[in-house]
Amino acid sequence: EVQLLESGGGLVQPGGSLRLSCAASGFTFSSYAMSWVRQAPGKGLEWVCSVSDSGGRTYYADSVRGRFTISRDNSKNTVYVQLNSLRVEDTAMYYCARVVQHHRDYWGQGILVTVSS
Amino acid sequence: QSALTQPASVSGSPGQSITISCTGTSSDVGAYNYVSWYQQHPGKAPKLMIYDVSNRPSGVSNRFSGSKSGNTASLTISGLQAEDEADYYCSSFASSSTLVLFGGGTKVTVL
Repeated sequence: EVQLLESGGGLVQPGGSLRLSCAASGFTFSSYAMSWVRQAPGKGLEWVCSVSDSGGRTYYADSVRGRFTISRDNSKNTVYVQLNSLRVEDTAMYYCARVVQHHRDYWGQGILVTVSS
Repeated sequence: QSALTQPASVSGSPGQSITISCTGTSSDVGAYNYVSWYQQHPGKAPKLMIYDVSNRPSGVSNRFSGSKSGNTASLTISGLQAEDEADYYCSSFASSSTLVLFGGGTKVTVL
């Protein structure tokens, strides 16, 4: 059974940093690209970033490029996203998702990030 | 404003069919057969319902179907059931700096 478990969220002040982790199990992690997708309270889904299966290629939404960094450790079956220079508008539930070609077939339950003073 | 345009809400009675539209541009929905649809119940993670315009993942009811014409994709739910009440999001690959676009979501209400 494919499982994705996010961790690392919480309350942070504007300008602060957080690192989110997503531990994967139930599939050959190193064979799949991975994504982070977020959802602000009461709002729709927004793609944040993706990383290729090897970790060699990364992609970012314009809204986070230069502030967020996605990475992965295939030996630990874990994908990360480092969130820097956080803004109030980054407040959201952050979902980790497995990527198959151009869609996301499995999603974690999400982790909440709140940016507030 | 979301990159892909969906109606805010659609409703139908049990047993009826409803269709949700998803309008993009010639740089995303119109350019690629990479439209996917996700169902999200309140407080839950999104669930993949349709991928590559019209393909259903294993385990998804055949009451869900997808199609595309030009820059607009559609999700049809046939034989509407109470459990179908949820938010639905479309998504498309895009040839822009933002590679993945989502629609603003459509709330489906079963009357």
